[in-house]
Amino acid sequence: KQEVTQIPAALSVPEGENLVLNCSFTDSAIYNLQWFRQDPGKGLTSLLLIQSSQREQTSGRLNASLDKSSGRSTLYIAASQPGDSATYLCAVLITDKLIFGTGTRLQVFP
Amino acid sequence: EAGVAQSPRYKIIEKRQSVAFWCNPISGHATLYWYQQILGQGPKLLIQFQNNGVVDDSQLPKDRFSAERLKGVDSTLKIQPAKLEDSAVYLCASSLDLGLLRTEAFFGQGTRLTVV
Repeated sequence: KQEVTQIPAALSVPEGENLVLNCSFTDSAIYNLQWFRQDPGKGLTSLLLIQSSQREQTSGRLNASLDKSSGRSTLYIAASQPGDSATYLCAVLITDKLIFGTGTRLQVFP
Repeated sequence: EAGVAQSPRYKIIEKRQSVAFWCNPISGHATLYWYQQILGQGPKLLIQFQNNGVVDDSQLPKDRFSAERLKGVDSTLKIQPAKLEDSAVYLCASSLDLGLLRTEAFFGQGTRLTVV
């Protein structure tokens, strides 16, 4: 059974710091991995999608890496801003199921 | 491109009542998911459709939950009768999925259900 774990569960940092959020999964036979952002009371916004054949994807200040063999992905946020405050979720697609981690709740204070 | 549409946004019902949620996926997307997200947890898959066929409903409490996707487009999720523990946000998502290529999943805003 695929399990997805995210560490840390919560993170509070001052504005301007570079951050690393971690996601680990137990079964490496994944099709892809997706990072999402969720604001309080809202749905999920897709940030980055990494196909299983890829090693990383970048979008603006965000960079996501994937190491299938070790079952890990990291989301790197450069020069964090208060507007980045949200919950970040990773999800793996395996045998047509999209399975989520429990998320990292990020707060960036001015 | 229009996103995934869900309605209603909020619903408050008493336990043992019935409730239905509606989802309109992105046009042309073959795969449709319904997730339940309890406060403080990650989304849990309830049911997944590929066009109008069910791919996975192993975590759907079938004694009270039902879902359908008529004509492979819109979908409804129903709870009858509701329990207090059904209070959660119900998220709908869709993805294009071209053959072996698994594409990005897009989510709606969700329906927040409170059972009192």
